Amino acid sequence: GAGVSQSPSNKVTEKGKDVELRCDPISGHTALYWYRQRLGQGLEFLIYFQGNSAPDKSGLPSDRFSAERTGESVSTLTIQRTQQEDSAVYLCASSSTIPGPKYQETQYFGPGTRLLVL
Amino acid sequence: QKEVEQDPGPLSVPEGAIVSLNCTYSNSAFQYFMWYRQYSRKGPELLMYTYSSGNKEDGRFTAQVDKSSKYISLFIRDSQPSDSATYLCAMSVTSGSRLTFGEGTQLTVNP
Repeated sequence: GAGVSQSPSNKVTEKGKDVELRCDPISGHTALYWYRQRLGQGLEFLIYFQGNSAPDKSGLPSDRFSAERTGESVSTLTIQRTQQEDSAVYLCASSSTIPGPKYQETQYFGPGTRLLVL
Repeated sequence: QKEVEQDPGPLSVPEGAIVSLNCTYSNSAFQYFMWYRQYSRKGPELLMYTYSSGNKEDGRFTAQVDKSSKYISLFIRDSQPSDSATYLCAMSVTSGSRLTFGEGTQLTVNP
């Protein structure tokens, strides 16, 4: 079946502009996660959704970052007034409580959105 | 200090070599330990997972967790050029909760 998809694949924007990044999780997956990966670094947690509520948003770096999710479907991460330090790959993952081939609640990642702030 | 430390490499080995990758961590609450593989310009994919301490083997891959030392390892036997990727360790407190990742080790297996 289809995996996690993200759009756009690449985004170049000017400092100070707002951007919206979209994530379409695997159908039926109740949990959705956003991570950020700066060049040459590991993934940094941003926010976690269970359904359309966000029980853990402790990783959002500032109030310029926000995210929402419609039901158990698409999620949008919005960055307002972008700064150059926001340049990174933004990765989305989804998981289900139904046991997967590896283990229950495996997080499946999308290909990411590469954001460059000039 | 980072919660999870991982040597970023890069690591270059000949085909057929045994590869050892490892991470140390500071948060004793971590219970779930994973290794993800990430090819260039792709999202990470789960390779191995272990709950609490112990070993797990899957084909050419073996994952080890030593909670007393806060140390996890991934061994790759008979490494292949197709194993060339970045390997990220990850861990979580509960199943399904946020993952905390290491920096990733870039591995190249030369034919």
